[in-house]
Amino acid sequence: EVQLVESGGGLVKPGGSLRLSCAASGFTFNNAWMSWVRQAPGKGLEWVGRTKSKTDGGTTDYAAPVKDRFTISRDDSKNTLYLQMNSLKAEDTAVYYCTTVSRSSGYYAKYWGQGTLVTVSS
Amino acid sequence: DIQMTQSPSSLSASVGDRVTITCRASQSISGSLHWYQQKPGKAPKLLIYAASSLQSGVPSRFSGSGSGTHFTLTISSLQPEDFATYYCQQSYSTPQTFGQGTKLEIK
Repeated sequence: EVQLVESGGGLVKPGGSLRLSCAASGFTFNNAWMSWVRQAPGKGLEWVGRTKSKTDGGTTDYAAPVKDRFTISRDDSKNTLYLQMNSLKAEDTAVYYCTTVSRSSGYYAKYWGQGTLVTVSS
Repeated sequence: DIQMTQSPSSLSASVGDRVTITCRASQSISGSLHWYQQKPGKAPKLLIYAASSLQSGVPSRFSGSGSGTHFTLTISSLQPEDFATYYCQQSYSTPQTFGQGTKLEIK
């Protein structure tokens, strides 16, 4: 059974940093592409970014609002995905989900974690 | 960026009704369109991928169609557990983008 468990959310002041983790199990993590999706309170879904597997180049892509502030990384030895968030703003307040990215017939979020809430406020 | 527009934004319907939700892309995305269902307080769940492929375990009353810029999600006979918010997402190009969502409520 695929499991994705996010952690690391919490309250942080504007301008601060936070690192989210996503512990993965039930699939071959080092072959997987992974992504982060967020959802501000009462709002819709927003794609944050994606990382490819190292065998596929390990490159990352980001949405414009987070580019140069957020960094997606992975530790395949620990089956863990990370989202390092710097220079946080109030508008980054959201539930952050990690997802697997399926590559058959397109690139879609097949499995989702339960999410972790990040609140940016003074 | 490719803009995704869903209609309607909200919809009231009754158990047993047939409902259709539309998703339009600002440019052609071929068949790179996926649908998700989200219930309050829960993570989204994949329903349909590649415009018309039903994810394993999803009831057959859900179906998707379309290509290019116009896509639809149809629920053939609404069940009580289908009342939720539905999102489309394009994966034709990055950044991947979602529609604003369609909230399906009980009439």
